[in-house]
Amino acid sequence: QVLLQESGPGLVKPSQTLSLTCIVSGGSISTGGYYWTWIRQPAGKRLEWIGRIYTGGSTKYHPSLESRVTISVDTSKNQFSVKLTSVTAADTAVYYCARGKAVAAGYYYFDYWGQGTLVTVSS
Amino acid sequence: ENVLTQSPGILSLSPGERATLSCWASQSVSSSYLAWYQQKPGQAPRLLISGASSRATDIPDRFSGSGSGTDFTLTISRLEPEDFAVYYCQQYGSSPWTFGQGTKVEIK
Repeated sequence: QVLLQESGPGLVKPSQTLSLTCIVSGGSISTGGYYWTWIRQPAGKRLEWIGRIYTGGSTKYHPSLESRVTISVDTSKNQFSVKLTSVTAADTAVYYCARGKAVAAGYYYFDYWGQGTLVTVSS
Repeated sequence: ENVLTQSPGILSLSPGERATLSCWASQSVSSSYLAWYQQKPGQAPRLLISGASSRATDIPDRFSGSGSGTDFTLTISRLEPEDFAVYYCQQYGSSPWTFGQGTKVEIK
């Protein structure tokens, strides 16, 4: 059973950087065929894909966030992280990490999700 | 981006009844790369269906998915008490991946 658990500050000040980590257990993050992904959901709005990182380190981000987001992986700790710079109140959301199971190169659905963590942007 | 619209927003049904949830895409979903997820309050989303119609591991056969192109359907043949939740569709055929706004299945 693969488990994902998000961790990080629940409160971030405007203009600062949001940083979250997802610890993966029950499987190696280095195993090929998976895209490690961040997704968020503002209150009352739909889920939004933020971006992903593949085992080899290649990344892809949502066009609307590309200038502010970085996803990285630490295989030694079996975890991956997201950083979002210059945050505003619009970045307040529940942030989920998820494992994307590949069906073809670059195409994947989400077979395991973390519980989610609420991040509030406020001074 | 491919916008997904789910209907209805809320579905009020009784246990034992059949639930039919719709998901429409603004553009054709390539290779039927469409998934359905179930989410209960305070829990992580749970994968139900991938590839429009393939049930995920350990998902009961009362859940079925169908459709192609721009029109997709999730059917729950007989609602069990644990099925009352919010359901989301998601396409992974064109980047950025997108989700529907959700359908809440509530007890009537």
